[in-house]
Amino acid sequence: DTGVSQDPRHKITKRGQNVTFRCDPISEHNRLYWYRQTLGQGPEFLTYFQNEAQLEKSRLLSDRFSAERPKGSFSTLEIQRTEQGDSAMYLCASSPRAGVDEQYFGPGTRLTVT
Amino acid sequence: SQQGEEDPQALSIQEGENATMNCSYKTSINNLQWYRQNSGRGLVHLILIRSNEREKHSGRLRVTLDTSKKSSSLLITASRAADTASYFCATRKIPSGTYKYIFGTGTRLKVLA
Repeated sequence: DTGVSQDPRHKITKRGQNVTFRCDPISEHNRLYWYRQTLGQGPEFLTYFQNEAQLEKSRLLSDRFSAERPKGSFSTLEIQRTEQGDSAMYLCASSPRAGVDEQYFGPGTRLTVT
Repeated sequence: SQQGEEDPQALSIQEGENATMNCSYKTSINNLQWYRQNSGRGLVHLILIRSNEREKHSGRLRVTLDTSKKSSSLLITASRAADTASYFCATRKIPSGTYKYIFGTGTRLKVLA
């Protein structure tokens, strides 16, 4: 039984570079979430997918952020032209289906922008 | 801003003691969830309580929900060093139309051996 996996676990990049993170949800989970978490804070919602459709995106998500979930399986989160303020833990979570609210989280990708 | 606010922000107790943390929220909800996060890692779902429930138990966990006060509490009995973690409540407002879950700021629990 594999849980939610995320890759890479750590990423250090220079300001202005683009980065891409990958999330593999639990098999057959059709709901997928991305969150951002900074030190001492709770996770902050970024976006939500149901199968391959991106149904909701936070207003906090600038145009530099984009997410995809082709074929409704794995998902990628790309940040273009990174800024120091993007430094955070990026968490992915999945949930099996509508009506089930429990989310299963991955270990996260820690991004450091220098 | 975060809908959920946990209280206290930090709590330090001795092993074997009980730990109580509280969560307040602002809107009508369908359910409230509690999650645990060990240092620098992903979150683990602990327990979910529905809006029509007042109390729920799971092992050493006891959760209460007061929808009139828009608050919930999580009690961990007979705490262990392994309970050291941050605890977050999460809610999604209703009526729906949003898939956005809002997490609180968390309570950092330290259990001393």
